[in-house]
Amino acid sequence: QKEVEQNSGPLSVPEGAIASLNCTYSDRGSQSFFWYRQYSGKSPELIMSIYSNGDKEDGRFTAQLNKASQYVSLLIRDSQPSDSATYLCAVGLYTGGFKTIFGAGTRLFVKA
Amino acid sequence: EPEVTQTPSHQVTQMGQEVILRCVPISNHLYFYWYRQILGQKVEFLVSFYNNEISEKSEIFDDQFSVERPDGSNFTLKIRSTKLEDSAMYFCASSDPGAPHEQYFGPGTRLTVT
Repeated sequence: QKEVEQNSGPLSVPEGAIASLNCTYSDRGSQSFFWYRQYSGKSPELIMSIYSNGDKEDGRFTAQLNKASQYVSLLIRDSQPSDSATYLCAVGLYTGGFKTIFGAGTRLFVKA
Repeated sequence: EPEVTQTPSHQVTQMGQEVILRCVPISNHLYFYWYRQILGQKVEFLVSFYNNEISEKSEIFDDQFSVERPDGSNFTLKIRSTKLEDSAMYFCASSDPGAPHEQYFGPGTRLTVT
């Protein structure tokens, strides 16, 4: 069973702080890794993708991947109240066709 | 900015009825997907579709489900005989051939089976 595990939270941080979100995955054949943001009642929105070990930065977001540890993280710098949402970790697999497995998500609250 | 659209936004149906959920993917995308999200639960992969055929499906995607690309723009999910447990939000997604895993989601169709 291919699993993606996340802390469900909620994670509460003050405005301006760094929010750190973590994810582990079970399938070593996973090829690509994503963070989606989902506001309540809305669809997932892709915010970061990462394919190789190390860090990838995009604005206030930094994704980190460690394939040996099967670990992905997302750092949100200078957190804003508008960042309050559920953050979904997702893992892409190719098993003859493309498949994406999502974690259950971490709820983030940014307090003004 | 191009986006994935889905219709209807909300569908109510009776148990045992057939429903068709419709999606218009982003125009230059070639990979198409359906997911479902039961209220309060995780997003679950149902099926991926490429080159007019299913490329991968999950164990959820059993014989009551089918997908079709009836023309150059629409992508549909049919549920043949709905059950109460099919009540969920259904999301369509599409991706560019250069980055097939980087998926862009539509707003979803909320399916309620009574």
